[in-house]
Amino acid sequence: SQTIHQWPATLVQPVGSPLSLECTVEGTSNPNLYWYRQAAGRGLQLLFYSVGIGQISSEVPQNLSASRPQDRQFILSSKKLLLSDSGFYLCAWSVPGRAETQYFGPGTRLLVL
Amino acid sequence: AQKVTQAQTEISVVEKEDVTLDCVYETRDTTYYLFWYKQPPSGELVFLIRRNSFDEQNEISGRYSWNFQKSTSSFNFTITASQVVDSAVYFCASSYNFNKFYFGSGTKLNVKP
Repeated sequence: SQTIHQWPATLVQPVGSPLSLECTVEGTSNPNLYWYRQAAGRGLQLLFYSVGIGQISSEVPQNLSASRPQDRQFILSSKKLLLSDSGFYLCAWSVPGRAETQYFGPGTRLLVL
Repeated sequence: AQKVTQAQTEISVVEKEDVTLDCVYETRDTTYYLFWYKQPPSGELVFLIRRNSFDEQNEISGRYSWNFQKSTSSFNFTITASQVVDSAVYFCASSYNFNKFYFGSGTKLNVKP
């Protein structure tokens, strides 16, 4: 069966510090991968998605970036965090195809102080 | 573009009551997919159901049932005989291609003992 991991689970970072969140998927090959952000008490905002190694599409211009160095690894990064980057970050995967179900990881809670 | 509206921000019921969560979608596409996810306090989104636009049959899974009506662009979710463990935020989402999900803002359900 497929599983998706995210770490760290919780992170507290000062403004201006760098960020690296990691997501890995097991039990499947060539998945579509997604990064979402959920601000406190709000819905989900798609940040990035990837259909293959090195292929990243950005949905929202901001100070975040994403990379996919391996087939089942998706990394969310920032060089300098802003207060507004605080939130709950969710990684998801899906089988390649039309509107396939997305399955979510446990998430990372980021607090920028 | 697609849009999903969940007008109910928060609902509180007493255990064993039935509750319906509303979802209204907007789309210009003839082929699209609709989803419901549950987000318990732990934060991880749990997939509940996926329906395509050509299948309007209602679906029942245990205490859960879904009513899909294209005439009113609605995909409502009913929990029968609610339980405390049903307390969560529920998200409705739509998709017409394999990359983008459009999530509603979520409905927080509180089931009191």
